[in-house]
Amino acid sequence: DAMVIQNPRYQVTQFGKPVTLSCSQTLNHNVMYWYQQKSSQAPKLLFHYYDKDFNNEADTPDNFQSRRPNTSFCFLDIRSPGLGDAAMYLCATSRAGTWGTEAFFGQGTRLTVV
Amino acid sequence: QKEVEQDPGPLSVPEGAIVSLNCTYSNSAFQYFMWYRQYSRKGPELLMYTYSSGNKEDGRFTAQVDKSSKYISLFIRDSQPSDSATYLCAIGVETGNQFYFGTGTSLTVIP
Repeated sequence: DAMVIQNPRYQVTQFGKPVTLSCSQTLNHNVMYWYQQKSSQAPKLLFHYYDKDFNNEADTPDNFQSRRPNTSFCFLDIRSPGLGDAAMYLCATSRAGTWGTEAFFGQGTRLTVV
Repeated sequence: QKEVEQDPGPLSVPEGAIVSLNCTYSNSAFQYFMWYRQYSRKGPELLMYTYSSGNKEDGRFTAQVDKSSKYISLFIRDSQPSDSATYLCAIGVETGNQFYFGTGTSLTVIP
């Protein structure tokens, strides 16, 4: 059974048109991450939520925002997608606290900007 | 200096070979270690997770951690064409809300 579910798997959007990607999890993990992965590159962390606390990476463009309305769901909003934002977007979860656990990934959303 | 260094390959081996994949890291605060397999256009799949020095075995896969050298390895025995993928190491801090990826090693197992 899928534990981290991303929707949609493929998303095509127009240049400059806002787009939202979604992630849900059944693991009850308190940390959720969004990564951007371009071809042949390692995943690049955009931001993460530790419970309700939002943690932005210093080099994440302002064009990227995130929302976590509850433990199970997290959204990635791209306010004005550019051609350079075309990538695979990966959601991951982990249970953090006194001792961390492994992180699980969804299958990703492949974003195309036209 | 990157937090985690990984040889990107590509690595090409014949079926049945033993494969060794490696990462080095710089920060002694890193306490737990993961290996992921990623097929093309898919999300990373967790293969191995360990938080101590030594070896951990799961089927054909063995993860090895040497904290004194800040060096981790993944060994694949009796490699199969289905093992052809990119392998990513990820290394995390104790509290579990921060981890860093290597660049990934592309592996091809030739039938």
